[in-house]
Amino acid sequence: EVQLVESGGGLVKPGGSLRLSCAASGFTLNNAWMSWVRQAPGKGLEWVGRIKSKTDGGTTDYAAPVKGRFTISRDESKDTLHLQMDSLKTEDTAVYYCTTERDDDYVPYYYYMEVWGKGTTVTVSS
Amino acid sequence: DIQMTQSPSSLSASVGDRVTITCRTSQSISSFLNWYQQKSGEAPKVLIYAASSLQRGVPSRFSGSGSGTDFTLTISSLQPEDFATYYCQQSFSNPLTFGQGTKVEIK
Repeated sequence: EVQLVESGGGLVKPGGSLRLSCAASGFTLNNAWMSWVRQAPGKGLEWVGRIKSKTDGGTTDYAAPVKGRFTISRDESKDTLHLQMDSLKTEDTAVYYCTTERDDDYVPYYYYMEVWGKGTTVTVSS
Repeated sequence: DIQMTQSPSSLSASVGDRVTITCRTSQSISSFLNWYQQKSGEAPKVLIYAASSLQRGVPSRFSGSGSGTDFTLTISSLQPEDFATYYCQQSFSNPLTFGQGTKVEIK
């Protein structure tokens, strides 16, 4: 069974750093496109960024509000995805979800977020 | 960035009702449109991908249609477990963007 478990959330002061982890099981992380999505309290979903599979170049993309502050990486040996968050702001307070992105053999290149973790909560406050 | 506008923002409906939620995008995205359901305190779950493909395991009362800039999610007969918030999301171009959500409540 494909499963994602996030960890690493917590309370951090503005300007601080935090590293989130997402442990994958039931599949090989290197072969997957992975995204981080966040949800501020009482708000909607916001895409944070993505890392493509190794075969697709392993490149990363980020949303404008986090570009230059957040970094997505993979630990191949542990099948774990990371989100390094630096220079945190109060507006980064949210539940952070990792998700797999996949397409379908019948509709290739039409990517969607298939498997989601339960999320980890990040609170940025002084 | 592609802007996503869902309507309505919320609706009240009864069990058995037919419910329609629309999503309009600021530019044409072909069929690169997905729908998710999120229940309170839970992670989202994909219902429909590529505008009209039903995700495995999702009940057939859910359906999606549309292409270009106008899309629809339809629940043919609302069930008690369908009360939730629904989001559309485009995968046509970066940054990926979501609609603001439609909360479906019990009438």
